[in-house]
Amino acid sequence: NAGVTQTPKFRILKIGQSMTLQCTQDMNHNYMYWYRQDPGMGLKLIYYSVGAGITDKGEVPNGYNVSRSTTEDFPLRLELAAPSQTSVYFCASSYFPPGGSGASGELFFGEGSRLTVL
Amino acid sequence: AQSVTQLDSHVSVSEGTPVLLRCNYSSSYSPSLFWYVQHPNKGLQLLLKYTSAATLVKGINGFEAEFKKSETSFHLTKPSAHMSDAAEYFCVVSDERYSTLTFGKGTMLLVSP
Repeated sequence: NAGVTQTPKFRILKIGQSMTLQCTQDMNHNYMYWYRQDPGMGLKLIYYSVGAGITDKGEVPNGYNVSRSTTEDFPLRLELAAPSQTSVYFCASSYFPPGGSGASGELFFGEGSRLTVL
Repeated sequence: AQSVTQLDSHVSVSEGTPVLLRCNYSSSYSPSLFWYVQHPNKGLQLLLKYTSAATLVKGINGFEAEFKKSETSFHLTKPSAHMSDAAEYFCVVSDERYSTLTFGKGTMLLVSP
């Protein structure tokens, strides 16, 4: 079972460069999320998607873009990288909405992508 | 807007002693609340979820949490800590549409022999 797969695991960027973090899930989940994690700050939601072709901004979307052309893939694009984007990025997915009653709505997380911008 | 506050950034216990990780929440609606755990250099894993069916929620690995509306709290407990419990724990609340989650800043649990 692959689950949620993120690539690359590590990357160093120079200021102003661009890159794409890849996220793929093989569980046929409709809901997908991108979070960033900074020390002592918990996880902040960047973008999310409730299905193919539908995306929405989270709490900290500036400097990022996403697309959702298929159910499986949810890439995160960083344009003009800045030192403030140095972070660990997590992709997650769920079959049901994470809140509400009924089915668990458990989020399944990838193992993270550690990005450093110098 | 919803939020959660984890009252301790670090908690240290000895193996075999009880664990208490504290969380207070704020929301203007009936929220769903969660605890997630993150072991070093890993993704997060769901421990348990509260959705109003029962105020005492049992999770994996012997953890449980009690929802107290009057205190706006959702504290995580375990009767006896194990070395493998050492990790970072996140209290999490859903938004009013139940489609996104807001994470607390985390509590690092340290377990000594």
